[in-house]
Amino acid sequence: EPEVTQTPSHQVTQMGQEVILRCVPISNHLYFYWYRQILGQKVEFLVSFYNNEISEKSEIFDDQFSVERPDGSNFTLKIRSTKLEDSAMYFCASSERGPPPYEQYFGPGTRLTVT
Amino acid sequence: EDQVTQSPEALRLQEGESSSLNCSYTVSGLRGLFWYRQDPGKGPEFLFTLYSAGEEKEKERLKATLTKKESFLHITAPKPEDSATYLCAVHGYGQNFVFGPGTRLSVLP
Repeated sequence: EPEVTQTPSHQVTQMGQEVILRCVPISNHLYFYWYRQILGQKVEFLVSFYNNEISEKSEIFDDQFSVERPDGSNFTLKIRSTKLEDSAMYFCASSERGPPPYEQYFGPGTRLTVT
Repeated sequence: EDQVTQSPEALRLQEGESSSLNCSYTVSGLRGLFWYRQDPGKGPEFLFTLYSAGEEKEKERLKATLTKKESFLHITAPKPEDSATYLCAVHGYGQNFVFGPGTRLSVLP
């Protein structure tokens, strides 16, 4: 069964460094998303991406964040100048159809720890 | 501002003891309401999407219903493997996806 994959599973970085989180969505899916979940808190929407551009973004998704689909398979989230409060699980998701709402399939997540 | 609340925060059931989880929402225009299951340390797993009041969907022991202000996830004769956190999320017109805090369900054998 096709699934969303994410790498790395755990990333440790120092405050102020840049990180890139990688996702491979399900191959025939057209809509891509990033979410984060701080430990013990709600899942929070960051951004949706379709046709090589951002469709929607939340207030969290400020100039510190950027997304890119560099090739036909990968979808990346870049966090510049990381802060302690960026420590969270970051989930990538994809959906076959859109615009939303159609079922989104989530990856296993990348745990980001900023020290 | 969109709001999603879920109750109860945690629920312990005996195997076979049916119950319901509640998701209350406020949104200016509903595009869809989602139910997900999340196991510890994993990503949410899609269960249902509901689009309009009166709609119902079923999958195995789960049944989701929707009104104009809330959704219920009914669990019939649960098994221990149904233990997880159940998340509700709402997507409104002109709004972002908003998740609720979840209900932690434990089903005891």
